[in-house]
Amino acid sequence: GNSVTQMEGPVTLSEEAFLTINCTYTATGYPSLFWYVQYPGEGLQLLLKATKADDKGSNKGFEATYRKETTSFHLEKGSVQVSDSAVYFCALSEEETSGSRLTFGEGTQLTVNP
Amino acid sequence: EPEVTQTPSHQVTQMGQEVILRCVPISNHLYFYWYRQILGQKVEFLVSFYNNEISEKSEIFDDQFSVERPDGSNFTLKIRSTKLEDSAMYFCASKPLFVSPLHFGNGTRLTVT
Repeated sequence: GNSVTQMEGPVTLSEEAFLTINCTYTATGYPSLFWYVQYPGEGLQLLLKATKADDKGSNKGFEATYRKETTSFHLEKGSVQVSDSAVYFCALSEEETSGSRLTFGEGTQLTVNP
Repeated sequence: EPEVTQTPSHQVTQMGQEVILRCVPISNHLYFYWYRQILGQKVEFLVSFYNNEISEKSEIFDDQFSVERPDGSNFTLKIRSTKLEDSAMYFCASKPLFVSPLHFGNGTRLTVT
């Protein structure tokens, strides 16, 4: 079956530091890949997505590249801000075989200190 | 921007009681979902709903669970006889087309005592 594995958290960084959150996946077909973010007290919001190999998703300074050869979709940001403190979830959807249900990773708590 | 709205934000119930979690999806959306997250664990798919019927459900979604879209705007999740292990955050989600990202609500935290 499908699965998503994220790097263990929590992650604590200083403002303006470089961020990487690793995500790898297992899927039987050709999934779409997503990063969702959950700010305190709020629901899950789509941060970025990529639908095929070598696509790069980007939003709000965050980027992730769909790497089929390494089955990875690592999230990066060059300079984090305090407002980026949240939980980040990597997810995949394999529309053809799973009716578009999302399979999530464990989530990674990011705290950015001023 | 339109939002998916869930009520209540927190519900406490006793084991064995029935609960109904309510969601108002975005008005022009056609696909509806429930997910849950037990504290400290992954967000898990429960059920998807399209054209007034369940289109897919997970192994978690057993006979104790049911979903309904009673009036064209609300989308509810009912748990008939709650168990302690049903304590979790329950997220409703919707989307307008099959191939489009999900929009999630803020969740209902269910505590079963």
